This record gives sequence, structure tokens and C-alpha cells, in this order.
Amino acid sequence: QKEVEQNSGPLSVPEGAIASLNCTYSDRGSQSFFWYRQYSGKSPELIMFIYSNGDKEDGRFTAQLNKASQYVSLLIRDSQPSDSATYLCAVNMRGAGYSTLTFGKGTMLLVSP
Amino acid sequence: DGGITQSPKYLFRKEGQNVTLSCEQNLNHDAMYWYRQDPGQGLRLIYYSQIVNDFQKGDIAEGYSVSREKKESFPLTVTSAQKNPTAFYLCASMRALNEKLFFGSGTQLSVL
Repeated sequence: QKEVEQNSGPLSVPEGAIASLNCTYSDRGSQSFFWYRQYSGKSPELIMFIYSNGDKEDGRFTAQLNKASQYVSLLIRDSQPSDSATYLCAVNMRGAGYSTLTFGKGTMLLVSP
Repeated sequence: DGGITQSPKYLFRKEGQNVTLSCEQNLNHDAMYWYRQDPGQGLRLIYYSQIVNDFQKGDIAEGYSVSREKKESFPLTVTSAQKNPTAFYLCASMRALNEKLFFGSGTQLSVL
């Protein structure tokens, strides 16, 4: 069964610190990887995507992908209380020519002032 | 403004009743998806559609039905066969394969 695994948390960090969120996936054929932020009662919002091995930076966010280890991570630098949310890792897993995203259960991040 | 519109925001279902959740997008995206989210859980795929008049079952399709008569619209019906329908339902769309998935604002369905 194709799975995406995340630590449920909560991950607690002080304001200004680096938050590190991790995700592993089971399907070696996966080609695209996404991080979504979800506030309580709201829908997920795409914050990062990565397709190739290595790092991708966008503002305070860095996504890291290691396909050999089937591992993707999200770093949030200078964490702010407004970053407190659940972060969902999603992986594109192809099946029968169609494209669907499989989601992890999410990691709750708490940033304390 | 381009986007995905879900309605209603809140919906209540009585025992034995079928209810339909609306999803409309004006992004000209080919693919549309329905996910279900339970508290503290990730998103689980119910149905998806890549083209008009074609759709595929996801991981938890039992008790649900969909249609895709227009590219812009992908309504989800929660039938009386779905015995535990209380959840947050999310509609999403994707422009093409391997691209980014965007979500509507969601519908919270509860049982009376």
C-alpha cells in the first residue's frame, strides 16, 4: 500500500527558531512532492513543492528531497507564531495513467512567542 | 477572481437522506478531486476525474457518488449508504498531471 508518513507532533519551537518537519513515502516511483499548511477549520494551502533531489528555497521556507532515502523535509526559518498550524506532506503517486496526491496525516507545529 | 468554490460551507444530513456538495472551478483545470478529512487525520481520496464524463474511485468511494458533466463542475453526493458521513469535505483541482493541487474552502458535513 502506498503511504506517506509524518510525525503527528506537536512540534514546539520558540519564536525565531528553525522548525524542521519530516516526511517519508513508500512509492519509489513518486515524482512530485508538496507541503501544505492548514489552519484549524480551514482548507490546506500550498506553500512549497519540489520535483528534484536537493534543496529548494522560497523565503523562510526550504524544502529538501532525497529520493534515494524516500525522504522529504520542510524547514521554516525564523519561525513566527503565525506559522502555528498543521503541515501536510503530499506525494504524487501515479496509478493507471492518472495523477493523485497521497497525503500524510500532518504534523502540528506550535510556535511560542 | 479565479478559484474553486464549494457550497454550502456547513451542511446537515438527516438519517437516510442523500445530500449533494457543490464544487465549481473557473481555473480551466482538467482534473478535479474530492477528499475527506476527519479530525486529526490526513486527507483521504474519495473520487477524482481527469476529463469530462469520466471519473475514478479513490480509496474510500463506498457510499459516495459523483458526476462530471461539465469541466467546471464536480458535485459529490453523500448517499444514505455512507454510515459515518460526518467530516470536512474538500474539493480540489489540478491543471495537468504532476502539477500543483489547489483546494476549495471546504464543506463541513454533520449528521442530525
